[in-house]
Amino acid sequence: GDSVTQMEGPVTLSEEAFLTINCTYTATGYPSLFWYVQYPGEGLQLLLKATKADDKGSNKGFEATYRKETTSFHLEKGSVQVSDSAVYFCALRGGRGGADGLTFGKGTHLIIQP
Amino acid sequence: SAVISQKPSRDICQRGTSLTIQCQVDSQVTMMFWYRQQPGQSLTLIATANQGSEATYESGFVIDKFPISRPNLTFSTLTVSNMSPEDSSIYLCSVGQPVSGELFFGEGSRLTVL
Repeated sequence: GDSVTQMEGPVTLSEEAFLTINCTYTATGYPSLFWYVQYPGEGLQLLLKATKADDKGSNKGFEATYRKETTSFHLEKGSVQVSDSAVYFCALRGGRGGADGLTFGKGTHLIIQP
Repeated sequence: SAVISQKPSRDICQRGTSLTIQCQVDSQVTMMFWYRQQPGQSLTLIATANQGSEATYESGFVIDKFPISRPNLTFSTLTVSNMSPEDSSIYLCSVGQPVSGELFFGEGSRLTVL
């Protein structure tokens, strides 16, 4: 079945550091890929998405590129802020079209220190 | 996007009782899903709520424990039956966007079972 593997946390960085959170996936067909973010005490929000190979999703300074050859969708940001502290989930929607819910990775807790 | 309201937002329940969570969406949606997020864990899909027919359950989840209703395209309920402390979780309702595959999430219902 479909699965998502993302780097274990917590990841602790200083403000203005470069961020990479690795995400790889296993899926049949042509999945859509997503990053969701959960800020402390809040619900789950979509951060960015990519629906086909080589697509780049971007939002709030975060980027991720859909790499079919390496089955990866790594999240990057050039300069993180304290307000980026949250739990980040990589997820995929299976290649069967609109019938599926999302499969989530285990989440990466990001802590940004001033 | 869709606005999703869940009730209750949180509750403390006694072992052996049952609780029904309601999910109301501000527009008609075809796809609606129920997820569970156990403390410190990722999201696990419980079932797909199908309008006018039985829900489709994922492996490890059964109708007797998590009965679901979907009477129309804007509303669904999830019941957690005969609760035990292991059922203490956040339960999330989500709706799907068929074209992009994106899911929108409610704020969640945080259940604590004593």
